[in-house]
Amino acid sequence: DTGVSQDPRHKITKRGQNVTFRCDPISEHNRLYWYRQTLGQGPEFLTYFQNEAQLEKSRLLSDRFSAERPKGSFSTLEIQRTEQGDSAMYLCASTGQSTYEQYFGPGTRLTVT
Amino acid sequence: DQQVKQNSPSLSVQEGRISILNCDYTNSMFDYFLWYKKYPAEGPTFLISISSIKDKNEDGRFTVFLNKSAKHLSLHIVPSQPGDSAVYFCAASGNYGQNFVFGPGTRLSVLP
Repeated sequence: DTGVSQDPRHKITKRGQNVTFRCDPISEHNRLYWYRQTLGQGPEFLTYFQNEAQLEKSRLLSDRFSAERPKGSFSTLEIQRTEQGDSAMYLCASTGQSTYEQYFGPGTRLTVT
Repeated sequence: DQQVKQNSPSLSVQEGRISILNCDYTNSMFDYFLWYKKYPAEGPTFLISISSIKDKNEDGRFTVFLNKSAKHLSLHIVPSQPGDSAVYFCAASGNYGQNFVFGPGTRLSVLP
């Protein structure tokens, strides 16, 4: 297993367009997290899945954001009607059942013009 | 309101000396803490963790100290190496790892 992967690595979109990002966690990991990181800040928690169940969502996750994890494997994060303030690095992390150590993917950098 | 603070945005240390990175938190419900290292264009990499039932955890050159009464933890790197130059994030969780709160990071530069 090569670790957590994210696709695409970079996305440039125009304001008002919809975008979707994908995260493939480490195969045996049942917990998956999405974070957003802006310049000079640490990652901010967005949402968390245990298997296919979305157990927690941050208040940062507005109605324009939706995340899914069908069958408890890969996950997608969709942003509808993007705004310039959505420009950030979107990070995905996964962890196994008996540990809190999160393994991060390389991130998807979103630029909204 | 920042629940996890790293008050030093940057730190420079000579190679071979000790690097000490500090982190303060405000939420007394936090019971698990982690340190991550991040290089440019990569995701954060897990370094070391500590549970609130301990006050010290060591892993090779890295030691984390936790002072619960002061709500303070620190990461010691001894000896520091140029490859340690990166941004270091402190993170805390209080609900069985369902979400983590990260600090803003400290940029460490280890000078040869």
